[in-house]
Amino acid sequence: QVRLVESGGGVVQPGGSLRLSCAASGFTFINYGFHWVRKAPGKGLEWVTSMWSDGTSKRYADSVKGRFTISRDISKNTLSLQMDGLRAEDTAVYYCARDDHGGLGDSWGQGTLVTVSS
Amino acid sequence: DVVVTQSPLSLPVPLGQPASISCRSSQSLVHSDGNTYLNWFQQRPGQSPRRLIYKVSNRDSGVPDRFSGSGSGTDFTLKISRVEAEDVGVYYCMQGTHLWTFGQGTKVEIK
Repeated sequence: QVRLVESGGGVVQPGGSLRLSCAASGFTFINYGFHWVRKAPGKGLEWVTSMWSDGTSKRYADSVKGRFTISRDISKNTLSLQMDGLRAEDTAVYYCARDDHGGLGDSWGQGTLVTVSS
Repeated sequence: DVVVTQSPLSLPVPLGQPASISCRSSQSLVHSDGNTYLNWFQQRPGQSPRRLIYKVSNRDSGVPDRFSGSGSGTDFTLKISRVEAEDVGVYYCMQGTHLWTFGQGTKVEIK
């Protein structure tokens, strides 16, 4: 069955970097677009970034533009999120989500917690 | 940027009674391809979000038929015909026509 498993979260100081991964299985990875969505403590869901199935078209929320980079490794069926220049307001659970004919979110991972704190 | 506004933000509902959540967009969500990318998600406590409805009114596989979506243009509604205990959680609408934007979320609880 479709499975998305995030990893790489942790505690990092302001200004630091972290790289999240999302391992996909149970479907043909290259045929789908993907998104990263986050949920900060006490707040709602926030779209972060997306990559189309072509692997080259990408979009970023203004809040992370220039600091975060989405990428994929089709040999490993893995989606990644490189996060640089982290700020306290980036503290959140980060989810990867697949995009199907219905748009964002037919499948989600379990999430990985990123805490930015000194 | 497109702003998506949900109401109410809190919704206490007696078991077995109907519930309705409104979602309004600051711009029309009709895409140039003719589709309207308005989805609804449920997030139960401690769980990942789950998509319930895609493109306004299409139920995802496994979603009970007590959930229904409707609307057009800028105004959309999620209805639960008879609330059950397992429906407790936060519900989000999300537009995917102009990049992606989530509503603030509506917390559904049993009254």
